[in-house]
Formats: sequence, structure tokens, C-alpha cells
Amino acid sequence: QKEVEQDPGPLSVPEGAIVSLNCTYSNSAFQYFMWYRQYSRKGPELLMYTYSSGNKEDGRFTAQVDKSSKYISLFIRDSQPSDSATYLCAMSSDSGAGSYQLTFGKGTKLSVIP
Amino acid sequence: EAGVAQSPRYKIIEKRQSVAFWCNPISGHATLYWYQQILGQGPKLLIQFQNNGVVDDSQLPKDRFSAERLKGVDSTLKIQPAKLEDSAVYLCASSFTSFLRPYEQYFGPGTRLTVT
Repeated sequence: QKEVEQDPGPLSVPEGAIVSLNCTYSNSAFQYFMWYRQYSRKGPELLMYTYSSGNKEDGRFTAQVDKSSKYISLFIRDSQPSDSATYLCAMSSDSGAGSYQLTFGKGTKLSVIP
Repeated sequence: EAGVAQSPRYKIIEKRQSVAFWCNPISGHATLYWYQQILGQGPKLLIQFQNNGVVDDSQLPKDRFSAERLKGVDSTLKIQPAKLEDSAVYLCASSFTSFLRPYEQYFGPGTRLTVT
């Protein structure tokens, strides 16, 4: 079993739809939970991060973490064609002496159709 | 603020040839990472530097891959000899520190390597 599982999609939605992206994980030591957006032929860029469990909202984006279920979600409201990209979840725990490394999911490719 | 720079952006080589990638991190960032992203996969960490010392290279295939970070700034990643399965995007990332704030990694655009 991989440490982080993410449905690769692809996911296609009409403009204005609510998008739900999810990841599950097996390592209970993960403390930080991140969502990255990666446009074609670009590097990943951080969208949001959450520490431990709970919700976090930033504009049209909401991140949720449920550590009891080992499940994280990213919701995109009022999706726009510019949201078309690959969304990567990433998680992190202390790899020793306070140093953190990232473990990524496979990424979900999202297309928002005008 | 300038971002992480990488070159070349694209490279096509034949198997068994050698190749090198270059990364210039964000100014002042002590930690530098090299990731391998195979098509349809998430990035996988190959090596992590703190200044010019290696913190973790446990996933670097050391029989063919090598990396260095001279003077704690720029870094090069080399593959020799290349195999078909090395075809991937090689991403460089940097952060001010690897401690306490794992979300503060900034990625470069990557080098897309095709091995034929």
C-alpha cells in the first residue's frame, strides 16, 4: 500500500461547478497536509496547507483534514477554466531532528469546461 | 523575488549517454531538493541538501545518479549512464529551511528528460 493514494482522474466539470478532490494516507505520523497546483510544463505551486486536523478556507478553496479517517479533501467553489491543472496532495512528518520532507500523491488532472 | 531557475528545460538523449541538470535556488535558501516526476506520478524526492551537505539521499540511485551543491548555492544533478526509465521531469525546489515549515518549498519549472 502506497503511503498516499490519490485518484488520478481525469476529472472534467462545467464552469461554476463545485469540485471535490481527495487523498487518503496510511502514515499516522503525517502532521502537515498540503495541496499543490501544477499547470502543464510548470513546477508545482502551493495552494494551501493545514496543520493537523480541521478546515481552512482561502477564497474559493477549502481544505479539510480528517486525521481519524486518514482522509484529506480540497474543495473548489465556482470553478473557473483557469483552475484547469493537476492538483497534487502532499503530506509531511518530521523525518528527524525537526527536518520535514514531502510525500506526494499521484495528482488529479482537472479540466473546467467553459 | 526571482524564483528557482533550472536549465536546460528539455533534453533528449540516447540510453547509456550521460546528462546533467542545473539548478539555481532562491537567494538565501539553505535547503535544496531534487525530485523526479515520472509522467502520471507525483514528485519523488531524490536528494536533499542543507547548505552544501547532504541531508537525505536514500532514494537516489547512486549507481547512476550523482548530485552536488558546491558553495551551498547552485546544484547539479547528473545521470550516467541513462536508462529508458529515467525519462521524467526533474524538479528542483528550495526552501529557507527544512525545519518547522515543510510547506515553504518553492519549485522550479523542471527539466523534461527523454531517454530514447
